[in-house]
Amino acid sequence: GDSVTQMEGPVTLSEEAFLTINCTYTATGYPSLFWYVQYPGEGLQLLLKATKADDKGSNKGFEATYRKETTSFHLEKGSVQVSDSAVYFCALSDEKLTFGTGTRLTIIP
Amino acid sequence: DAGVIQSPRHEVTEMGQEVTLRCKPISGHNSLFWYRQTMMRGLELLIYFNNNVPIDDSGMPEDRFSAKMPNASFSTLKIQPSEPRDSAVYFCASSLYGPDTGELFFGEGSRLTVL
Repeated sequence: GDSVTQMEGPVTLSEEAFLTINCTYTATGYPSLFWYVQYPGEGLQLLLKATKADDKGSNKGFEATYRKETTSFHLEKGSVQVSDSAVYFCALSDEKLTFGTGTRLTIIP
Repeated sequence: DAGVIQSPRHEVTEMGQEVTLRCKPISGHNSLFWYRQTMMRGLELLIYFNNNVPIDDSGMPEDRFSAKMPNASFSTLKIQPSEPRDSAVYFCASSLYGPDTGELFFGEGSRLTVL
């Protein structure tokens, strides 16, 4: 079945550092790909999405490109802020939405 | 617009008691989802409704769990009897379309502790 694999956390970075959170997927069809973010004490929020190969999703300075050849959808941000501290979930949807296990990110001032 | 509203935000109960969690989806959304989040198992889909009809309940752990959606603006998740291993954060989410679009709107969750 479909699955999503994310890099293990936790990830700790200094403010203004470059961020990459790796995500790879396995799917039989042509899924859409998503990044969700969960801030402390809150539910998940959709951060960005890409619906087909080579699409780039972007929002709030975060970007991810749908790479079919490497079955990847890595999340990147050029300069992180303390307010980016959260848990990030990669997900794919084919007939249903499948989430990765989440990566906890902590940004130190 | 109001988002997905869940209640209670926190519930502490004793083993064997009945627990009812409530959810009001975003108006106009026709799909509703119940998820459970734990450190050990991550985010698990329990059940999915479309137009108030349960479509996929394969994630419901066992007969102690039941979910209903009597109308488009209300759903409940009931656990009877509750056990300590049910302790988790339970999220309700709604979507304008089905799960294949992937665009879900989550509530803030109900944190359940069973002693």
